[in-house]
Amino acid sequence: DTGVSQNPRHKITKRGQNVTFRCDPISEHNRLYWYRQTLGQGPEFLTYFQNEAQLEKSRLLSDRFSAERPKGSFSTLEIQRTEQGDSAMYLCASSREMNTEAFFGQGTRLTVV
Amino acid sequence: SQKIEQNSEALNIQEGKTATLTCNYTNYSPAYLQWYRQDPGRGPVFLLLIRENEKEKRKERLKVTFDTTLKQSLFHITASQPADSATYLCALVANTGNQFYFGTGTSLTVIP
Repeated sequence: DTGVSQNPRHKITKRGQNVTFRCDPISEHNRLYWYRQTLGQGPEFLTYFQNEAQLEKSRLLSDRFSAERPKGSFSTLEIQRTEQGDSAMYLCASSREMNTEAFFGQGTRLTVV
Repeated sequence: SQKIEQNSEALNIQEGKTATLTCNYTNYSPAYLQWYRQDPGRGPVFLLLIRENEKEKRKERLKVTFDTTLKQSLFHITASQPADSATYLCALVANTGNQFYFGTGTSLTVIP
């Protein structure tokens, strides 16, 4: 059990470019979550997968954001046409089943310049 | 929509004292509530989980209470140490477990 792994740890991109982040959850966990966190705020829910199915997506999430979890293993989060407001820490978490704790990765810090 | 409030001010306490953090919520009926610790630049780390039918949970120096009538959870750290300095987040979870709704967090500093 190596924990939840996120790559890259940091990403600086120019406004308008596309970026993709990767999350490798703990291997036996079937639930995977993406969150976004800005300074001084708690994590904000983006989307949730159970195995390969994306079961929930925040209504606040713009169409520029898309997430996948092929084969129910790793997940990717893509942001198209990045804006400065997308600058944040993007966190991935996984859990084994309902009513258990979530294990978070170290996050990917995105800076859009 | 649901609203989750934690101590808005940072909390500074003397080493050895008990720190008490609050988490109040409205417009929500969580199945359970969790507390996490977050250090700067790192992801949250799970501490404790308490279910709606439980009043209190303990783990070493940590204690959590959950009052569904008051819609409030209290998180206590007894015999606090400087190493306990961090931001503490509460998270509410529905029965489906599909989302964790986080509060804004409370920054705790334990002064030696």
